[in-house]
Amino acid sequence: EAQVTQNPRYLITVTGKKLTVTCSQNMNHEYMSWYRQDPGLGLRQIYYSMNVEVTDKGDVPEGYKVSRKEKRNFPLILESPSPNQTSLYFCASSVGVGQPQHFGDGTRLSIL
Amino acid sequence: GENVEQHPSTLSVQEGDSAVIKCTYSDSASNYFPWYKQELGKRPQLIIDIRSNVGEKKDQRIAVTLNKTAKHFSLHITETQPEDSAVYFCAASNNQGGKLIFGQGTELSVKP
Repeated sequence: EAQVTQNPRYLITVTGKKLTVTCSQNMNHEYMSWYRQDPGLGLRQIYYSMNVEVTDKGDVPEGYKVSRKEKRNFPLILESPSPNQTSLYFCASSVGVGQPQHFGDGTRLSIL
Repeated sequence: GENVEQHPSTLSVQEGDSAVIKCTYSDSASNYFPWYKQELGKRPQLIIDIRSNVGEKKDQRIAVTLNKTAKHFSLHITETQPEDSAVYFCAASNNQGGKLIFGQGTELSVKP
């Protein structure tokens, strides 16, 4: 089954403790992206990647890192999480830029 | 950078009525405009998209129109049903940049 898989689905952690949210897709998609969703603000793009070893900042990249060492994986790294990064995070992938994106089921992060 | 404004933020209609959601964008280079539906607790899913070389696109009860001159595009849902109740997001991107910018979302409620 074609899908985008995120882990973990839920995480409660404390300020400053490094964490990684993994994202994997099995559709051989070139493009992958991370979004955060907050009430009233819609989906805001954090980082995106148009191909292996190519990553670019979205609209809200501060406090996040990503890497794209393999086509299928695009982890999101919070080196020193802070409470303002408490949010619902979605990973998505598509064949390329300007193509329909397939979303994962989301990761709800709570940073205390 | 690109900015997408979406209105209204909430919309309540009676079953069988039509619903219209409007979005405006700022970057004249934008050429891809998808619409996503997000049911409560679920991931966003693409329902329809349109490219800048087309003025209108229909898929059963759903249609999208695009006015490039005015830089706005709209989602039209006819004969609404309770299962259309969800949050709808518009978005805009261009093939060169790689970013996908979302509107703030519209919570549609269809009352039986």
